[in-house]
Amino acid sequence: GAGVSQSPSNKVTEKGKDVELRCDPISGHTALYWYRQSLGQGLEFLIYFQGNSAPDKSGLPSDRFSAERTGGSVSTLTIQRTQQEDSAVYLCASLGTSRLYNEQFFGPGTRLTVL
Amino acid sequence: AQSVTQPDIHITVSEGASLELRCNYSYGATPYLFWYVQSPGQGLQLLLKYFSGDTLVQGIKGFEAEFKRSQSSFNLRKPSVHWSDAAEYFCAVGAFGNEKLTFGTGTRLTIIP
Repeated sequence: GAGVSQSPSNKVTEKGKDVELRCDPISGHTALYWYRQSLGQGLEFLIYFQGNSAPDKSGLPSDRFSAERTGGSVSTLTIQRTQQEDSAVYLCASLGTSRLYNEQFFGPGTRLTVL
Repeated sequence: AQSVTQPDIHITVSEGASLELRCNYSYGATPYLFWYVQSPGQGLQLLLKYFSGDTLVQGIKGFEAEFKRSQSSFNLRKPSVHWSDAAEYFCAVGAFGNEKLTFGTGTRLTIIP
């Protein structure tokens, strides 16, 4: 596709359930990021994939959060045993090169609501 | 650690008036600075960025920003806002070779007729 896509756009789940969020980056982009946007908190970095290198997981808030990237393209962010504080918009970005600098292109996000 | 402060949570501006959104950063070396805009229900779109060189950078949609090292600031400006500029604006800082961005908490811009 032309841009970064994410699915689902909205997800409502019950506390304690597992959820999977999907990100389809722009074709050819080798780097992929996950961010979390909580109300009034700005964007919080979660995890970063670059090519075949080991991912930078330094932003994952707990071991309930994990992510994988299959075939260097699609990525799935998994949250196990969801908690109410996990409610947020989860944004994915992929990194392209534009002229002299790199630019992250963002998807529309997945709004997660944990009841 | 790097950080970004956007001191204004919400700003209201009349259509046609000028705009300045404030951004202060904390970073130990020369930062890479970005401004993104997020319209309702949309992802973030890059408005402009500063890497080096001229401290006044031009972006899309008529926006510009000025990097002031002495003030650790990267304020976003537009001489005349349009109703379509109503959105949330985020300032971000990064480092060369590490594209992990640190974002501010955002400034929500409301445009009144």
